[in-house]
Amino acid sequence: GENVEQHPSTLSVQEGDSAVIKCTYSDSASNYFPWYKQELGKGPQLIIDIRSNVGEKKDQRIAVTLNKTAKHFSLHITETQPEDSAVYFCAASKGGSNSGYALNFGKGTSLLVTP
Amino acid sequence: EAQVTQNPRYLITVTGKKLTVTCSQNMNHEYMSWYRQDPGLGLRQIYYSMNVEVTDKGDVPEGYKVSRKEKRNFPLILESPSPNQTSLYFCASREQGVYEQYFGPGTRLTVT
Repeated sequence: GENVEQHPSTLSVQEGDSAVIKCTYSDSASNYFPWYKQELGKGPQLIIDIRSNVGEKKDQRIAVTLNKTAKHFSLHITETQPEDSAVYFCAASKGGSNSGYALNFGKGTSLLVTP
Repeated sequence: EAQVTQNPRYLITVTGKKLTVTCSQNMNHEYMSWYRQDPGLGLRQIYYSMNVEVTDKGDVPEGYKVSRKEKRNFPLILESPSPNQTSLYFCASREQGVYEQYFGPGTRLTVT
């Protein structure tokens, strides 16, 4: 099955700096790559996603890049703020009714933004 | 407000005592699923349901049961809980044909 690797497991940056989290996937049939943010005591919340026909997507301070050839995708957060502190999960899905659009998650990155 | 709710939020129980964690969504979503989250392992899918009366196993279904008698509800049943089922559980739902999943707030289960 699909294997999603996520690095680093922990990341500490100073407020205002950029943060980058990287993921690789194994199944070349995967075509949907979301990023979820999980704050303490809450469920994961989708913050940005990208489809396989797009190389980059940006939404204000966050952006995601996808390299299908290398099978890796990354989350970029610029001008980090303390409220960006959370656990971030990447995921990959190959869609299709048979698989139920199953999401295969990375193990998560704990991001700490210090003032 | 569109949301996925879970109950209870916290539960401490003993080995072998049957329990049910409820999940309900008010978005009329066809697809619902259960995940468990463990330190260092991320989220792993337990079971999912494509629609009423249609359920299937995820990656880690052993020791769990589910049912989908109504579109809005998808309870997770542990017939005989064991300590290795101590975990944080999330229910999620999405609209058919759409990738985005909405997660509930989580249920922290401890089995002693």
